[in-house]
Amino acid sequence: GESVGLHLPTLSVQEGDNSIINCAYSNSASDYFIWYKQESGKGPQFIIDIRSNMDKRQGQRVTVLLNKTVKHLSLQIAATQPGDSAVYFCAENTKETSGSRLTFGEGTQLTVNP
Amino acid sequence: GAGVSQSPRYKVAKRGQDVALRCDPISGHVSLFWYQQALGQGPEFLTYFQNEAQLDKSGLPSDRFFAERPEGSVSTLKIQRTQQEDSAVYLCASSMGLVGGEQFFGPGTRLTVL
Repeated sequence: GESVGLHLPTLSVQEGDNSIINCAYSNSASDYFIWYKQESGKGPQFIIDIRSNMDKRQGQRVTVLLNKTVKHLSLQIAATQPGDSAVYFCAENTKETSGSRLTFGEGTQLTVNP
Repeated sequence: GAGVSQSPRYKVAKRGQDVALRCDPISGHVSLFWYQQALGQGPEFLTYFQNEAQLDKSGLPSDRFFAERPEGSVSTLKIQRTQQEDSAVYLCASSMGLVGGEQFFGPGTRLTVL
């Protein structure tokens, strides 16, 4: 299958460790943020989202933190598993933009070593 | 269907050929998006439909790119006189509502222009 991670920042962790993936955004008007997971040869898959009126949101094994002051977003994955290996993208959106087009960040290649 | 489907999954074209890429969104989804993903990068917005209306085509890179959704369901992205720089994965996404909400992505069509 194809690889979308040839030139992406990488993060390598041991199975069972916690992972933290960071993302910086530039548009201060952005009010909705999403983390996507993309496995090789597949489209992006929704993980978790957060609106700008929140600074933290938790899901199953994942937590997203939003710091609007420094325009920073992070994704924390607890007890990382080999199946978590993928490229992770943050995406942002503004209400003013018609149809909620998403602007994606650079992406991070996460590799989980057994 | 169960999710967004795209066809073909892989397309090889000679430079100068026209190609047509198809997207079948999730049934009942009002919004449909096309994104272009170059190797090692995040998806970039191309165009957006709300039902059959193309409300935003600001991301289309040139007038060789054309998209339609005549009956508000299936969409086709057409690229005329393909160039090598058009080589990328073309992703389609759909969402239920008019504004905001989770975008569900298809697996993409990988276009290679020789």
